[in-house]
Amino acid sequence: DVKVTQSSRYLVKRTGEKVFLECVQDMDHENMFWYRQDPGLGLRLIYFSYDVKMKEKGDIPEGYSVSREKKERFSLILESASTNQTSMYLCASSLSSALNQPQHFGDGTRLSIL
Amino acid sequence: DQQVKQNSPSLSVQEGRISILNCDYTNSMFDYFLWYKKYPAEGPTFLISISSIKDKNEDGRFTVFLNKSAKHLSLHIVPSQPGDSAVYFCAASDPRGNEKLTFGTGTRL
Repeated sequence: DVKVTQSSRYLVKRTGEKVFLECVQDMDHENMFWYRQDPGLGLRLIYFSYDVKMKEKGDIPEGYSVSREKKERFSLILESASTNQTSMYLCASSLSSALNQPQHFGDGTRLSIL
Repeated sequence: DQQVKQNSPSLSVQEGRISILNCDYTNSMFDYFLWYKKYPAEGPTFLISISSIKDKNEDGRFTVFLNKSAKHLSLHIVPSQPGDSAVYFCAASDPRGNEKLTFGTGTRL
């Protein structure tokens, strides 16, 4: 079974702080993704990566950056946290763009910015 | 611009009956469709998928139907069980998009 692990289930930070959310997958997947889930808006893609050191913007990248130094790890960075970034953050991974493989999700990090 | 739409925010079904969850899309380039199930405080779990070359895919109690001309897909759960209570998201993939998925807003069953 694919295991996607997010480092924190709950996180509380203050406005203006730099926040790091970490995600690790154990199945040697090429693709990794960061989403946020908000009521009534579904899952919205923030950034994704299809290879080490590669990244592409998703639909809502503003205020975020990412890092992928190793294949198994994908980090989401909030450069200067704001209250409108309070949300559930979900990391996902998938095997290969050639195979129409489903994405597998971690359990999420509920982030509150005070 | 919502390319994947789930117009029913919630649905109530009696145990043992059929649950039908609907999803519409606007992007004719989508060629792979998925359904995910999400319990509170957990990540979405992959349920079932269908490629655009098919019109039906079945896995146990779950069947997904795809109507390409209408740009519509549906998930049927028969028979419905209490453990099926969750939020269901449909998602679609554009082959030009590096495996990106576009999600609907979810239906709470």
